[in-house]
Amino acid sequence: DQQVKQNSPSLSVQEGRISILNCDYTNSMFDYFLWYKKYPAEGPTFLISISSIKDKNEDGRFTVFLNKSAKHLSLHIVPSQPGDSAVYFCAASVRNNFNKFYFGSGTKLNVKP
Amino acid sequence: GAGVSQSPSNKVTEKGKDVELRCDPISGHTALYWYRQSLGQGLEFLIYFQGNSAPDKSGLPSDRFSAERTGGSVSTLTIQRTQQEDSAVYLCASSSPARPRGYTFGSGTRLTVV
Repeated sequence: DQQVKQNSPSLSVQEGRISILNCDYTNSMFDYFLWYKKYPAEGPTFLISISSIKDKNEDGRFTVFLNKSAKHLSLHIVPSQPGDSAVYFCAASVRNNFNKFYFGSGTKLNVKP
Repeated sequence: GAGVSQSPSNKVTEKGKDVELRCDPISGHTALYWYRQSLGQGLEFLIYFQGNSAPDKSGLPSDRFSAERTGGSVSTLTIQRTQQEDSAVYLCASSSPARPRGYTFGSGTRLTVV
């Protein structure tokens, strides 16, 4: 039973437009969330994080939004670039237990030039 | 090393054989993790090592799976009597005490059991 779900296996966006990747979770104890980005034949790399005391965290073109009541988070990429084409994983953990993250199944983003 | 190194990158094995997967974490990273990703699934936690503490083995799917970390550095994940459902990408990650939330992953070992 997956506690973190990414229901869209793929997303295609035109260069320059906004990419919105969604993630839902079921465990109300989760209070720390991350997004990872993965290129083919490489390991996932950390992208951005958010803790439950915030509802938004921004880093350059990347913004993560957290809606605790809906148990939903999203990653916005603006403007999207072809180099953003990758698989994006969201992950969640319980406070002070960063040793064990629960990952979604990933969304493959394709940014078309 | 500069990154987390995993070997082999690909492994094809016959059902019933044993396999060993190796992970060389970033120097100085005290925490080491094994995850796996089966087709269409998210990354599944397997095991966690932190320094000299007893490992958290709560994610190992069966007693055919074991892992050790020698000298607080290199780790080996062993799967005995492999089954077809063991086919997956096995990812190792490490992290430092200063930045426990930001794992650095290796590029993984793709295991195929035929």
